[in-house]
Amino acid sequence: EADIYQTPRYLVIGTGKKITLECSQTMGHDKMYWYQQDPGMELHLIHYSYGVNSTEKGDLSSESTVSRIRTEHFPLTLESARPSHTSQYLCASMVSGANVLTFGAGSRLTVL
Amino acid sequence: ILNVEQSPQSLHVQEGDSTNFTCSFPSSNFYALHWYRWETAKSPEALFVMTLNGDEKKKGRISATLNTKEGYSYLYIKGSQPEDSATYLCAFLIQGAQKLVFGQGTRLTINP
Repeated sequence: EADIYQTPRYLVIGTGKKITLECSQTMGHDKMYWYQQDPGMELHLIHYSYGVNSTEKGDLSSESTVSRIRTEHFPLTLESARPSHTSQYLCASMVSGANVLTFGAGSRLTVL
Repeated sequence: ILNVEQSPQSLHVQEGDSTNFTCSFPSSNFYALHWYRWETAKSPEALFVMTLNGDEKKKGRISATLNTKEGYSYLYIKGSQPEDSATYLCAFLIQGAQKLVFGQGTRLTINP
């Protein structure tokens, strides 16, 4: 049973549209992460947060932005989607000290 | 840039056979090595978190070993079953960091 929820699971959208991928967790975890994965490639960290009002860019440069206004919510936004943004986006969370990630089911984005 | 390599990238195994695959990671500043299983259309789920050189962990028919001095971990599956079909990800956590670096995964298919 998932304790971290991502919506939408699948999204097909036209170039130039603004999109927000939602991620919510019910576990009270302070750390949250966004990973991007292209087919056959590694999961790349694009954003992370260590708590409310804390956001950092990950190892892979991304045109997306994130916010962390509430502990449980960590949405990712693309202001103007492009075909190069087509990918799978995975959200994850972790409680400090545990060092084990809990993942959402992912959002598969296709930009036409 | 930290590099985590997994081999092979894909593997087909006959049901009932045993198999193993490898994760290679930097041997310096090691903190932890994670294994995750990612079944199609589901969330990645944690299998093992390994921290000590020589660690060996077991979960049913799946086990893993860790060699931090030479920078590798093996995942073993004994008597493969169709439900073992998944992508197996390893991830490396460097000392002092709170971010996991993932390999590209080994995609395992069990043929009935």
